[in-house]
Amino acid sequence: NAGVTQTPKFQVLKTGQSMTLQCAQDMNHNSMYWYRQDPGMGLRLIYYSASEGTTDKGEVPNGYNVSRLNKREFSLRLESAAPSQTSVYFCASSPEGGAEAFFGQGTRLTVV
Amino acid sequence: GESVGLHLPTLSVQEGDNSIINCAYSNSASDYFIWYKQESGKGPQFIIDIRSNMDKRQGQRVTVLLNKTVKHLSLQIAATQPGDSAVYFCAAQLHGYNKLIFGAGTRLAVHP
Repeated sequence: NAGVTQTPKFQVLKTGQSMTLQCAQDMNHNSMYWYRQDPGMGLRLIYYSASEGTTDKGEVPNGYNVSRLNKREFSLRLESAAPSQTSVYFCASSPEGGAEAFFGQGTRLTVV
Repeated sequence: GESVGLHLPTLSVQEGDNSIINCAYSNSASDYFIWYKQESGKGPQFIIDIRSNMDKRQGQRVTVLLNKTVKHLSLQIAATQPGDSAVYFCAAQLHGYNKLIFGAGTRLAVHP
């Protein structure tokens, strides 16, 4: 079973460039999430989607936009990348609130 | 909101010993808690969860204890093995909110 799939796995961007991180889950989960993980820190929630058609800001939403394209897919867009957005990005999904979240393998993004 | 913290950034144990990893949360309205394990280069993996109507839950070699009075939870790993070496995160979810807030993580190092 694929679970949560993220693409790409690695990416280098120049400051000011834009890109979209893709995430898809095949578990028919309602909720999806985007986190970022920086060295020495836990995972910080960027945006989440409780169900298809809804999105909400998390702890660190500035500089990002998201799209819940359908139940399976939840994308994260950086419109104008900054070095401060260098991080590892994780997508996750869960059946509903109050349930275990399953994580993808991460996207390592470097902005130079 | 909710914030989650861990007492120690690094924990070193001898193989075969028991490990205890601690976590504190700030909001008494949090009603769901999860422990995750993250190995190098991978996404977090679910270990065990507990709801606020419980004080203790046991899995295979792991036990989670929840003390709502002092807003503290702990993860106990019995007979720690080299394969348990990883970073461990606790996460908390506020009642009615469909998002998990993570702590900074504790790195568990198991020595032979």
